[in-house]
Amino acid sequence: GAGVSQSPSNKVTEKGKDVELRCDPISGHTALYWYRQSLGQGLEFLIYFQGNSAPDKSGLPSDRFSAERTGGSVSTLTIQRTQQEDSAVYLCASSPGGFTEAFFGQGTRLTVV
Amino acid sequence: DAKTTQPNSMESNEEEPVHLPCNHSTISGTDYIHWYRQLPSQGPEYVIHGLTSNVNNRMASLAIAEDRKSSTLILHRATLRDAAVYYCILYNQGGKLIFGQGTELSVKP
Repeated sequence: GAGVSQSPSNKVTEKGKDVELRCDPISGHTALYWYRQSLGQGLEFLIYFQGNSAPDKSGLPSDRFSAERTGGSVSTLTIQRTQQEDSAVYLCASSPGGFTEAFFGQGTRLTVV
Repeated sequence: DAKTTQPNSMESNEEEPVHLPCNHSTISGTDYIHWYRQLPSQGPEYVIHGLTSNVNNRMASLAIAEDRKSSTLILHRATLRDAAVYYCILYNQGGKLIFGQGTELSVKP
């Protein structure tokens, strides 16, 4: 399909393990966002990539969280040494840039046990 | 990033119009006003955006105050499917899309 694709859709991991979440944005979109949404809460901004500029990492909650975007396309969010409070839905969005709409994926539901 | 203020929740009856308000008194001249909504168990979806003039699309209308310090999202005929959290966001070029708490809209049959 032509939408934003995230994988896996669900991930259960043990506390202390590392996880990688993947986002395939819409082709040609220069902007890419990661958000976290805990149960019953709003969207928490994590990181923003725009073209070749340095990413805005101001929303990353700790140094256990990192993200990269390779070739201006696919992005991976990595959480090291997962904790139970990391359990949430992680959402990715992409946009053509400028003032246009952002398109969201369906998210990855992460459960840390 | 400039802030927006929205009511926590609103109720509407099916097939009636809904006016969702948003205050953004610190808006800057380059901020666009964007609206998104999040249906239960789904990612957010774009609804509409504008700068100064009122805007219409197939989903909704956006009325922007002359001083741009407030705006109203108008759903002309609410349906049960419109029950969602609606987010009003100020967005400028190069800036990031930051979501507030939004307004939870419930629609009664």
